[in-house]
This record gives sequence, C-alpha cells and structure tokens, in this order.
Amino acid sequence: QKEVEQNSGPLSVPEGAIASLNCTYSDRGSQSFFWYRQYSGKSPELIMSIYSNGDKEDGRFTAQLNKASQYVSLLIRDSQPSDSATYLCAVNPALYNNNDMRFGAGTRLTVKP
Amino acid sequence: DAGITQSPRYKITETGRQVTLMCHQTWSHSYMFWYRQDLGHGLRLIYYSAAADITDKGEVPDGYVVSRSKTENFPLTLESATRSQTSVYFCASSRTSGVQETQYFGPGTRLLVL
Repeated sequence: QKEVEQNSGPLSVPEGAIASLNCTYSDRGSQSFFWYRQYSGKSPELIMSIYSNGDKEDGRFTAQLNKASQYVSLLIRDSQPSDSATYLCAVNPALYNNNDMRFGAGTRLTVKP
Repeated sequence: DAGITQSPRYKITETGRQVTLMCHQTWSHSYMFWYRQDLGHGLRLIYYSAAADITDKGEVPDGYVVSRSKTENFPLTLESATRSQTSVYFCASSRTSGVQETQYFGPGTRLLVL
C-alpha cells in the first residue's frame, strides 16, 4: 500500500463547477497535510495546509480532513481554466521526522471553458 | 529577488558519469531539500539539510551525495549515474524546520541518463 494515494485522473470539470480532489494516507498517526499545485513544466507551490479534522477555507479552496477515515480532500469552487494543473497531496507521516513529507502521485485537473 | 535557482536546467549524461546539480537560494533559509519527481511516484525526498555541514537522508538517498559548505548552496551529486536516475530534480528551501514551514521550490532540473 502506498503511503499517500490519489486518483491520477485526469479529472475534467466545466468552468464554474466544483472540482473535488481526494487523497488517502496509510499512517494513522499523520498530523500534517498539504495540497500543492503544479502547472505543467513548473515547480510545485503550496496552496493549502491542514492539521485538524474538519474544513479549512481559503478563498475558492477548501481542504477537508478526516483522520478517522485517513482521508483528505481539496475542493475548488467556481473552477477556472487557470486552475488546470496537477494537484499533489502531501503528508508528514508520524513514522518519519518532521522534515519528511510523502507525496501522492498527483491528480491532473482540467477545467474546460 | 532571485529566490531559489537551479542549474543546469537540462542535462543529458551517460551511464557511469558523475553529475552535479546545483541549487542556490538568496533568502538565507536554514533548510534545503532535494526531491526527484517521476511519473507515478510524485515527489520523493532524496536528502535535506538543516544548516551548513548538516545533512540527512530522505526517502531515496541511494546513489546520491550532498554537501552544504555554505548556507545558500546545496549541490546534489550523482556519483555514477544510472538510467533509473533519469528524472526531474527539484531543490526547495524553507526558513526553519518542520513540514509546517512552507517549502519554496526551484524551477527544476531535467536529467536524462543514457
């Protein structure tokens, strides 16, 4: 079982719709969770972090964490073509030190005008 | 403000050759990281450094060597390149310790080992 799993996609949504990206992780003791966005040919950039169960909102982005289900998701409301990118889920498993993140393979999102 | 830069941006080499990838940051960040990114694997941590002369292994350190004599530089050396090391390599830096501290990524180096 991979430490962090994501649906590889591609996920395609129409402009203005809600895009839902999902991630599961294997280490139940994990405490820190992140979503990175990576445009094609570019480097990753952090867009959301979440540490507690529940929802965390930042503009059009909402991260949701359910530690009991070992599940973290990212919702993008009012999706725009500029949101088309690969979204990487990252987790800091309790097994490793606090500088070691494990990434999922990423979900490619396409927002169609 | 140059931020974090990597060189070369593209590199083709042959199996068995030594290759050094350079990373330079202008923020005086304490922590620096090297990742590789391959299809189907996402990003994987190779090595990281907490300060000059302090380095530690990540998830996939075998076949790589790092050094950090100056805070701003963190070179990654492939001592004897193999085809399995064909990848995109990203350097990152953060102000202090801990994954909660935002890591800023460089533009990446695409390495092809023939």
